[in-house]
Amino acid sequence: TQLLEQSPQFLSIQEGENLTVYCNSSSVFSSLQWYRQEPGEGPVLLVTVVTGGEVKKLKRLTFQFGDARKDSSLHITAAQPGDTGLYLCAGASGTYKYIFGTGTRLKVLA
Amino acid sequence: NAGVTQTPKFQVLKTGQSMTLQCAQDMNHNSMYWYRQDPGMGLRLIYYSASEGTTDKGEVPNGYNVSRLNKREFSLRLESAAPSQTSVYFCASSESRIRNQPQHFGDGTRLSIL
Repeated sequence: TQLLEQSPQFLSIQEGENLTVYCNSSSVFSSLQWYRQEPGEGPVLLVTVVTGGEVKKLKRLTFQFGDARKDSSLHITAAQPGDTGLYLCAGASGTYKYIFGTGTRLKVLA
Repeated sequence: NAGVTQTPKFQVLKTGQSMTLQCAQDMNHNSMYWYRQDPGMGLRLIYYSASEGTTDKGEVPNGYNVSRLNKREFSLRLESAAPSQTSVYFCASSESRIRNQPQHFGDGTRLSIL
């Protein structure tokens, strides 16, 4: 069974601080996606990483896919209250399925 | 541009009752999915439909059935609801013929079983 563990599970920080969220597995994934989910809504895709070692930047968010394609990280620089939400990683399992991580709930205090 | 629409948004059932959760997408996507989301467990795949006419089990299919009615619609049925099925249910769709496409999610159905 493929599993994706995210850490930390909860994170509460002050506006302007930096943070990193981790997504780890013992399985290799062909690609990995990061989603953000806000209360009462479904997850929305932030980024897809495909190549081992790949780094993608989305404004203040930096995503990295591990060299062995078993892990990924999301780094947020100078967090803002608008970054508050549940962050989910999802690894591609075959052609049609994704395995979702356990989630990191982030709260950024003004 | 509705995307993925789920009905109902909220539902309370008694143990043993049955119900069907409806999902429709207007993006002409081939693949559709049903997930449940429980605290601390992320999203778990219940069933998916890679294309119209096919359905397959996910991680947690027990107690559920699905129907891919046509390309747009994918329903999830609970035949005899149990308290362990209290959860938030999400439907999603994607254009799976193109690799690494995003899944587009509905806003969920919050289901409580007493």
